[in-house]
Amino acid sequence: RKEVEQDPGPFNVPEGATVAFNCTYSNSASQSFFWYRQDCRKEPKLLMSVYSSGNEDGRFTAQLNRASQYISLLIRDSKLSDSATYLCVVNSYQLIWGAGTKLIIKP
Amino acid sequence: DVKVTQSSRYLVKRTGEKVFLECVQDMDHENMFWYRQDPGLGLRLIYFSYDVKMKEKGDIPEGYSVSREKKERFSLILESASTNQTSMYLCASTGASPNTEAFFGQGTRLTVV
Repeated sequence: RKEVEQDPGPFNVPEGATVAFNCTYSNSASQSFFWYRQDCRKEPKLLMSVYSSGNEDGRFTAQLNRASQYISLLIRDSKLSDSATYLCVVNSYQLIWGAGTKLIIKP
Repeated sequence: DVKVTQSSRYLVKRTGEKVFLECVQDMDHENMFWYRQDPGLGLRLIYFSYDVKMKEKGDIPEGYSVSREKKERFSLILESASTNQTSMYLCASTGASPNTEAFFGQGTRLTVV
């Protein structure tokens, strides 16, 4: 089993829809969690950190479920510009990256 | 504006050449990482460093070495480049706290012919 797993997608979603994806992790001692966004041929950039109580940034909501060992990302009212690959990252001694979920928003 | 800078965006090298990829960060970060990213495989850790002159192997260190002589600089070396090392190489850095985010360089797309 991989340490951090994501559904690779692609998720094809109409503009304006809500989309959610999860990321599971295997190390229960993991300390911090992040979602990154990566555009084609660009480097990953931080989208948001994930806090135990859940956190929201505009149309984006991130949640952590320690009992079930997963984090989630919810995007509301999706825009064409949200099309990207979304990477989850788990910090347990070192950064462990998921392989990413590809999201395609269609007009 | 914080920065991680990689020396080249694109490189083309011949099989057997020695290749140096340089990464410099200006955030006084303790930790630095080298990854390669290939389609469908995500980010794979080659080497990382927690301090000057310290290095640890990642998941795929074979065919690579690293050097960290100064805190701000982390170099990746391909001793004898091979075609299967054609990839996107990404450098990243983080602070000492486990809650700090990773900052990436813009990536180097290396082609070995």
